[in-house]
Amino acid sequence: KAGVTQTPRYLIKTRGQQVTLSCSPISGHRSVSWYQQTPGQGLQFLFEYFSETQRNKGNFPGRFSGRQFSNSRSEMNVSTLELGDSALYLCASSLEGTGAGSTDTQYFGPGTRLTVL
Amino acid sequence: AQSVTQLGSHVSVSEGALVLLRCNYSSSVPPYLFWYVQYPNQGLQLLLKYTTGATLVKGINGFEAEFKKSETSFHLTKPSAHMSDAAEYFCAVSKAAGNKLTFGGGTRVLVKP
Repeated sequence: KAGVTQTPRYLIKTRGQQVTLSCSPISGHRSVSWYQQTPGQGLQFLFEYFSETQRNKGNFPGRFSGRQFSNSRSEMNVSTLELGDSALYLCASSLEGTGAGSTDTQYFGPGTRLTVL
Repeated sequence: AQSVTQLGSHVSVSEGALVLLRCNYSSSVPPYLFWYVQYPNQGLQLLLKYTTGATLVKGINGFEAEFKKSETSFHLTKPSAHMSDAAEYFCAVSKAAGNKLTFGGGTRVLVKP
């Protein structure tokens, strides 16, 4: 079974631009979560989507948004890029994502490394 | 709110020696606990997880971890380090197994020959 795929793997943008990152989950997985990894802040949760609906959201400004399509693929968008948005953006997928007693595991993709100049 | 503390941002071990990575958590509800490993320029790979049941959890690559509720700890161990274990290790907690993960700051492991 193919793993989580993310495109592109590397991206260079300038301040003020916007960017869209894509994530294809493992086949059959319906939950997709996004995380930001930086040297200073570590790994931080951005948001989770399940059945095309945002189900959880972290503490990030509204410039960070996402969506999920009917085939569970997800995109993440960052508008008006700032230097501090330079990071590795990781996507993770799981079967259902939540629920008491769930033993779901989140499987991570290789990430998209975004550099903002 | 949940939080995770990993003691030691860098750990250096000799090949063949014990690997011990410490993780303490705080959670208002029974937690689900995870250890992930990250190799350079790669994503996170699950080593092992604790959800319910047996408190000693065995994972891949010879790693294991023990959930100690009284100590709010979930330390990761491997009896004998291998050069391929050089990587960064992250402890994480969630309220449900697939839900939002809260990560510790990570511990980078260096293995000396």
